[in-house]
Amino acid sequence: DAGVTQSPTHLIKTRGQHVTLRCSPISGHKSVSWYQQVLGQGPQFIFQYYEKEERGRGNFPDRFSARQFPNYSSELNVNALLLGDSALYLCASTIAPQGHQETQYFGPGTRLLVL
Amino acid sequence: AQSVTQLGSHVSVSEGALVLLRCNYSSSVPPYLFWYVQYPNQGLQLLLKYTSAATLVKGINGFEAEFKKSETSFHLTKPSAHMSDAAEYFCAVSATGHSNYQLIWGAGTKLIIKP
Repeated sequence: DAGVTQSPTHLIKTRGQHVTLRCSPISGHKSVSWYQQVLGQGPQFIFQYYEKEERGRGNFPDRFSARQFPNYSSELNVNALLLGDSALYLCASTIAPQGHQETQYFGPGTRLLVL
Repeated sequence: AQSVTQLGSHVSVSEGALVLLRCNYSSSVPPYLFWYVQYPNQGLQLLLKYTSAATLVKGINGFEAEFKKSETSFHLTKPSAHMSDAAEYFCAVSATGHSNYQLIWGAGTKLIIKP
């Protein structure tokens, strides 16, 4: 079975542009979470979606938005890009957000560079 | 609020030597703790997790971690380092009190293996 897939793998944008990142969860997984990992730091939680509804949001500005589709894939959108948005964006999937012991399975990430 | 501290941004050991990566957590409730590994230009892979079933947790690739409540620690060890263990290691705690089961991450420790 395929793991979590993300596209594109790399992306270069300029300040002020917007970007859309895509994630497909493991087959059978209905929950997707997004994390931002700035170089040299641990990941920071952005969003979690379950059954197309937002279940949680981290401390990120409204320029960040996301959605989940009926097939459980997800998009992360970032508007008005800033240099500080340069990071590795990770998607993780779980069967369902059933509990804190649930393992999150991560994709390879999308590396975004904002110039 | 929960938090994770990883002592040492870089740890260097010789091939065949003991690996010890330190993780301390802060939590007012029983935590769920995770160790993930990130190889260069890849996503995060689960090594092991603590879910209160046993204090000594065995993971993949010969790694294990011991939960010590009195020391609020969850250090990762491996008896004999291999060159293939060179990677960045992240400790994380599941943020109880949130419905979205987000993970709170340490800053990571880069493990360097000397031949």
